[in-house]
Amino acid sequence: AQRVTQPEKLLSVFKGAPVELKCNYSYSGSPELFWYVQYSRQRLQLLLRHISRESIKGFTADLNKGETSFHLKKPFAQEEDSAMYYCAPHGVYNNNDMRFGAGTRLTVKP
Amino acid sequence: KAGVTQTPRYLIKTRGQQVTLSCSPISGHRSVSWYQQTPGQGLQFLFEYFSETQRNKGNFPGRFSGRQFSNSRSEMNVSTLELGDSALYLCASSSGQGAVELFFGEGSRLTVL
Repeated sequence: AQRVTQPEKLLSVFKGAPVELKCNYSYSGSPELFWYVQYSRQRLQLLLRHISRESIKGFTADLNKGETSFHLKKPFAQEEDSAMYYCAPHGVYNNNDMRFGAGTRLTVKP
Repeated sequence: KAGVTQTPRYLIKTRGQQVTLSCSPISGHRSVSWYQQTPGQGLQFLFEYFSETQRNKGNFPGRFSGRQFSNSRSEMNVSTLELGDSALYLCASSSGQGAVELFFGEGSRLTVL
């Protein structure tokens, strides 16, 4: 069965500290991996996707196929990074089957 | 271009009633997905429609149903409402071709009393 696990519901760090949001998945085939973010009073929106291999707002995500993980990292967290983050594998072989993890609420303290 | 629009934004119902929520996707998008968002469960996939056909369905009871019209607008219906159906219902649209970005609406917040 397809499964997405974000083990931390809540994560709190101080401004300037590194942050890592964990995501593990169990999916048939080789899914595409996405991270979505929801800032306070804003819509859920795409943060980054693995295939683009970009760094967005200082965030990067490393795909580890052996561990089936797609952790989101930022070396120096900022207060404006406080938000809800969702990991979302996209089942390429199951049309548009995008399941989301339970989410991690990141709080960056001043 | 206009984003994904969901109506109504807020609604209150009582147990046993039924509700219909509407979603207008971004122009040109043929796929509409529905999600239930709750603090305890996060985002749970309900179903996805592409060109008026349901392509995928999550693990929700048959009380939850949906449809898509020829203009790609979609509706979801929940019958015989239960207290546990209180949630934010999100709609997302995309081209539906492969692993593409989802564009979300602001959601419809349903409260069941």
